[in-house]
Amino acid sequence: DIQLTQSPSSLSASVGDRVTITCRASLGISKNLAWFQQRAGEAPKSLIYTASILQSGVPSKFSGSGSGTEFTLTISSLQPEDFATYYCQQYNTYPLTFGGGTKVGIK
Amino acid sequence: EVQLEESGGGLVQSGGSLRLSCAASGFSFSDHFMDWVRQAPGKGLEWVGRIRKKSDSYSTEYAASVKGRFTISRDDSKSSLFLQMNSLKIEDTAMYYCARVPAGWGGDESWGQGTLVIVSS
Repeated sequence: DIQLTQSPSSLSASVGDRVTITCRASLGISKNLAWFQQRAGEAPKSLIYTASILQSGVPSKFSGSGSGTEFTLTISSLQPEDFATYYCQQYNTYPLTFGGGTKVGIK
Repeated sequence: EVQLEESGGGLVQSGGSLRLSCAASGFSFSDHFMDWVRQAPGKGLEWVGRIRKKSDSYSTEYAASVKGRFTISRDDSKSSLFLQMNSLKIEDTAMYYCARVPAGWGGDESWGQGTLVIVSS
């Protein structure tokens, strides 16, 4: 199975900060990676797919990059509604796998 | 608007069975692969399995942790997805989400709100 390692596992940031989360794959997955946001008590929400394509309706403060084994999710200016847990998912190979998550908290 | 509504969760004893359902609306259900994803309390997301479309013979894929115990099926005439869970273990305790796989990429685009399964000893 392809392992996805997210770093950091948690971070504290202030409103207005720029935040970057990394997802590393144990094998190359081309650009077959998605990012999700999960607020407390809610279902996950798709943000980005194919590593860098913004899902319809997702604000442009979110951006993704990378290919192969290293990927990043960046939030350009953190807002109160962005405090949540973020997951990456690879869909290159079965079984699909998720990263362990990055919890973005308030500093 | 894509809507997915899971049901069927509850409390079940270890070794028991449970059948989850997911009612879909707002899109052409039969045109999409569908997934189940679960999340144990306080833990991360775990992909459970996938069912493809009729044109792909409704073939399925499963995570190793559930293969041989769980079965995914669908009824396109009722826009419904199912997860039959047998030989349940305590570690199957989780919120179970159904998710739609979009046409353009292979991950999980739209999610339901989930149904909670608790397996007790």
